[in-house]
Amino acid sequence: NAGVMQNPRHLVRRRGQEARLRCSPMKGHSHVYWYRQLPEEGLKFMVYLQKENIIDESGMPKERFSAEFPKEGPSILRIQQVVRGDSAAYFCASSPQVPNTEAFFGQGTRLTVV
Amino acid sequence: DQQVKQNSPSLSVQEGRISILNCDYTNSMFDYFLWYKKYPAEGPTFLISISSIKDKNEDGRFTVFLNKSAKHLSLHIVPSQPGDSAVYFCAASARDDKIIFGKGTRLHILP
Repeated sequence: NAGVMQNPRHLVRRRGQEARLRCSPMKGHSHVYWYRQLPEEGLKFMVYLQKENIIDESGMPKERFSAEFPKEGPSILRIQQVVRGDSAAYFCASSPQVPNTEAFFGQGTRLTVV
Repeated sequence: DQQVKQNSPSLSVQEGRISILNCDYTNSMFDYFLWYKKYPAEGPTFLISISSIKDKNEDGRFTVFLNKSAKHLSLHIVPSQPGDSAVYFCAASARDDKIIFGKGTRLHILP
Protein backbone atom coordinates (compact mmCIF):
# COMPACT_ATOMS: atom_id res chain seq x y z
CA ASN A 1 0.00 0.00 0.00
CA ALA A 2 1.94 2.98 -1.30
CA GLY A 3 2.06 6.11 0.77
CA VAL A 4 1.58 9.67 -0.42
CA MET A 5 3.77 10.22 -3.46
CA GLN A 6 5.10 13.63 -4.35
CA ASN A 7 7.14 14.49 -7.40
CA PRO A 8 9.52 15.81 -8.19
CA ARG A 9 11.51 15.68 -4.95
CA HIS A 10 13.61 18.60 -6.07
CA LEU A 11 12.68 21.29 -8.56
CA VAL A 12 14.83 24.18 -9.74
CA ARG A 13 13.18 27.04 -11.62
CA ARG A 14 14.41 30.37 -12.86
CA ARG A 15 12.54 33.50 -11.83
CA GLY A 16 9.47 33.95 -14.01
CA GLN A 17 9.05 30.26 -14.88
CA GLU A 18 6.19 28.05 -13.79
CA ALA A 19 6.47 25.32 -11.16
CA ARG A 20 4.11 22.32 -11.09
CA LEU A 21 4.16 20.09 -8.04
CA ARG A 22 2.32 16.77 -8.07
CA CYS A 23 0.81 14.75 -5.27
CA SER A 24 -0.76 11.31 -5.49
CA PRO A 25 -2.70 10.57 -2.29
CA MET A 26 -2.81 7.23 -0.54
CA LYS A 27 -5.23 4.72 -2.00
CA GLY A 28 -8.72 5.34 -0.73
CA HIS A 29 -7.98 8.90 0.39
CA SER A 30 -10.21 11.56 -1.08
CA HIS A 31 -8.84 14.63 0.71
CA VAL A 32 -5.56 16.40 0.00
CA TYR A 33 -3.78 19.19 1.87
CA TRP A 34 -0.87 21.31 0.71
CA TYR A 35 1.53 22.94 3.18
CA ARG A 36 4.60 25.11 2.72
CA GLN A 37 7.63 25.10 5.01
CA LEU A 38 10.03 28.00 4.81
CA PRO A 39 13.49 27.68 6.43
CA GLU A 40 13.23 27.71 10.23
CA GLU A 41 9.43 27.93 10.00
CA GLY A 42 6.60 25.54 10.71
CA LEU A 43 4.17 23.99 8.28
CA LYS A 44 1.96 26.69 6.90
CA PHE A 45 -1.43 25.61 5.56
CA MET A 46 -2.08 26.53 1.94
CA VAL A 47 -5.10 24.67 0.58
CA TYR A 48 -7.44 21.77 1.37
CA LEU A 49 -9.09 19.91 -1.49
CA GLN A 50 -11.26 16.94 -2.21
CA LYS A 51 -11.86 15.43 -5.64
CA GLU A 52 -12.87 18.22 -8.05
CA ASN A 53 -13.53 20.62 -5.19
CA ILE A 54 -11.56 23.18 -3.20
CA ILE A 55 -12.70 23.04 0.43
CA ASP A 56 -10.49 25.77 1.87
CA GLU A 57 -7.89 27.89 0.09
CA SER A 58 -7.50 30.52 2.78
CA GLY A 59 -3.74 29.92 3.00
CA MET A 60 -3.03 30.37 -0.69
CA PRO A 61 -1.45 33.61 -1.90
CA LYS A 62 -4.01 35.50 -3.96
CA GLU A 63 -1.89 35.65 -7.08
CA ARG A 64 0.25 33.17 -9.00
CA PHE A 65 -0.74 30.12 -6.90
CA SER A 66 -3.45 27.62 -7.80
CA ALA A 67 -4.32 24.05 -6.87
CA GLU A 68 -6.51 21.34 -8.27
CA PHE A 69 -7.45 17.76 -7.49
CA PRO A 70 -9.13 16.33 -10.58
CA LYS A 71 -11.38 13.31 -10.69
CA GLU A 72 -8.55 11.33 -12.25
CA GLY A 73 -4.87 11.86 -11.60
CA PRO A 74 -2.80 13.57 -8.95
CA SER A 75 -3.38 16.84 -7.18
CA ILE A 76 -1.36 19.67 -8.70
CA LEU A 77 0.00 22.78 -6.99
CA ARG A 78 0.88 25.32 -9.64
CA ILE A 79 3.02 28.40 -9.09
CA GLN A 80 3.21 30.81 -12.00
CA GLN A 81 6.00 33.34 -12.53
CA VAL A 82 8.02 32.08 -9.59
CA VAL A 83 10.05 34.48 -7.46
CA ARG A 84 12.94 33.82 -5.06
CA GLY A 85 10.57 34.01 -2.09
CA ASP A 86 8.72 30.94 -3.39
CA SER A 87 11.77 28.80 -2.57
CA ALA A 88 10.59 26.39 0.12
CA ALA A 89 9.65 22.79 0.84
CA TYR A 90 6.10 22.00 -0.24
CA PHE A 91 4.39 19.09 1.48
CA CYS A 92 1.25 17.29 0.48
CA ALA A 93 -0.84 15.19 2.86
CA SER A 94 -3.91 13.03 2.32
CA SER A 95 -6.68 11.70 4.50
CA PRO A 96 -9.81 9.61 4.03
CA GLN A 97 -13.23 11.21 4.10
CA VAL A 98 -13.63 10.58 7.80
CA PRO A 99 -13.85 13.39 10.35
CA ASN A 100 -11.12 13.71 12.93
CA THR A 101 -8.51 11.48 11.45
CA GLU A 102 -4.82 11.91 10.82
CA ALA A 103 -3.36 13.04 7.53
CA PHE A 104 -0.39 11.23 6.02
CA PHE A 105 2.39 13.21 4.42
CA GLY A 106 4.52 12.76 1.35
CA GLN A 107 8.27 13.36 1.29
CA GLY A 108 7.84 16.87 -0.05
CA THR A 109 9.08 18.82 -3.04
CA ARG A 110 11.92 21.24 -2.44
CA LEU A 111 11.54 24.15 -4.82
CA THR A 112 14.54 26.36 -5.47
CA VAL A 113 14.12 29.52 -7.52
CA VAL A 114 17.35 30.86 -9.01
CA ASP B 1 -2.63 34.94 14.11
CA GLN B 2 -1.18 31.66 15.38
CA GLN B 3 -3.94 29.31 16.44
CA VAL B 4 -1.49 26.59 17.48
CA LYS B 5 1.55 27.70 19.44
CA GLN B 6 4.68 25.83 20.37
CA ASN B 7 6.60 28.32 22.46
CA SER B 8 9.79 26.31 22.86
CA PRO B 9 11.81 26.29 19.63
CA SER B 10 14.14 23.64 21.05
CA LEU B 11 14.54 21.23 23.93
CA SER B 12 17.48 19.09 25.09
CA VAL B 13 16.90 15.97 27.16
CA GLN B 14 19.24 13.30 28.46
CA GLU B 15 18.83 9.85 26.94
CA GLY B 16 16.60 7.70 29.13
CA ARG B 17 14.83 10.65 30.75
CA ILE B 18 11.38 12.00 29.97
CA SER B 19 10.85 14.50 27.14
CA ILE B 20 7.89 16.82 27.53
CA LEU B 21 6.81 18.93 24.57
CA ASN B 22 4.14 21.54 25.06
CA CYS B 23 1.53 23.11 22.83
CA ASP B 24 -1.15 25.76 23.34
CA TYR B 25 -4.10 26.57 21.12
CA THR B 26 -6.53 29.45 20.89
CA ASN B 27 -9.44 28.13 18.82
CA SER B 28 -12.07 26.58 21.08
CA MET B 29 -13.61 24.85 18.04
CA PHE B 30 -10.64 22.50 17.75
CA ASP B 31 -11.71 19.01 18.71
CA TYR B 32 -8.91 16.82 17.39
CA PHE B 33 -5.23 17.16 18.16
CA LEU B 34 -2.21 15.47 16.61
CA TRP B 35 1.54 15.22 17.03
CA TYR B 36 3.90 14.68 14.13
CA LYS B 37 7.63 14.01 14.05
CA LYS B 38 9.88 15.25 11.28
CA TYR B 39 13.43 14.39 10.30
CA PRO B 40 15.39 16.69 7.95
CA ALA B 41 14.56 16.31 4.26
CA GLU B 42 11.62 14.01 5.04
CA GLY B 43 7.90 14.49 5.34
CA PRO B 44 6.25 14.68 8.78
CA THR B 45 5.28 11.32 10.27
CA PHE B 46 2.13 10.93 12.33
CA LEU B 47 2.85 9.96 15.95
CA ILE B 48 -0.25 10.11 18.09
CA SER B 49 -3.57 11.91 18.31
CA ILE B 50 -6.26 12.70 20.83
CA SER B 51 -9.91 13.60 20.56
CA SER B 52 -11.35 16.38 22.70
CA ILE B 53 -13.57 13.87 24.50
CA LYS B 54 -10.45 12.38 26.11
CA ASP B 55 -7.76 13.84 28.32
CA LYS B 56 -5.07 11.23 27.76
CA ASN B 57 -3.98 8.86 25.02
CA GLU B 58 -1.06 6.49 25.26
CA ASP B 59 0.84 4.54 22.62
CA GLY B 60 4.00 2.80 23.75
CA ARG B 61 6.56 5.39 24.86
CA PHE B 62 4.32 8.27 23.72
CA THR B 63 1.53 9.81 25.76
CA VAL B 64 -0.49 12.89 24.87
CA PHE B 65 -2.32 14.86 27.55
CA LEU B 66 -5.09 17.33 26.79
CA ASN B 67 -6.26 20.06 29.16
CA LYS B 68 -9.26 21.64 27.45
CA SER B 69 -9.87 24.31 30.06
CA ALA B 70 -6.31 25.57 29.66
CA LYS B 71 -6.29 24.95 25.90
CA HIS B 72 -3.05 23.09 26.37
CA LEU B 73 -1.68 19.75 25.29
CA SER B 74 1.60 18.01 25.85
CA LEU B 75 3.49 15.07 24.44
CA HIS B 76 5.48 12.90 26.83
CA ILE B 77 8.18 10.56 25.54
CA VAL B 78 9.59 8.14 28.06
CA PRO B 79 12.24 6.88 28.03
CA SER B 80 13.81 9.22 25.46
CA GLN B 81 15.99 7.52 22.87
CA PRO B 82 18.59 8.92 20.42
CA GLY B 83 16.25 8.26 17.48
CA ASP B 84 13.73 10.62 19.04
CA SER B 85 15.91 13.59 18.05
CA ALA B 86 13.75 15.39 15.49
CA VAL B 87 11.36 18.31 15.10
CA TYR B 88 7.95 17.71 16.70
CA PHE B 89 4.87 19.48 15.39
CA CYS B 90 1.66 19.92 17.29
CA ALA B 91 -1.46 20.18 15.12
CA ALA B 92 -5.19 20.69 15.59
CA SER B 93 -8.38 20.65 13.60
CA ALA B 94 -12.06 21.38 13.98
CA ARG B 95 -14.49 18.78 12.60
CA ASP B 96 -14.16 18.42 8.82
CA ASP B 97 -11.82 21.39 8.69
CA LYS B 98 -8.18 21.84 7.79
CA ILE B 99 -5.34 20.77 10.08
CA ILE B 100 -3.37 23.68 11.54
CA PHE B 101 0.23 23.16 12.64
CA GLY B 102 2.44 24.88 15.17
CA LYS B 103 5.97 26.01 14.32
CA GLY B 104 7.57 22.95 15.86
CA THR B 105 9.98 22.13 18.67
CA ARG B 106 13.39 20.69 17.90
CA LEU B 107 14.16 17.90 20.36
CA HIS B 108 17.79 16.93 21.02
CA ILE B 109 18.41 13.71 22.91
CA LEU B 110 21.80 13.91 24.61
CA PRO B 111 23.91 10.78 25.15
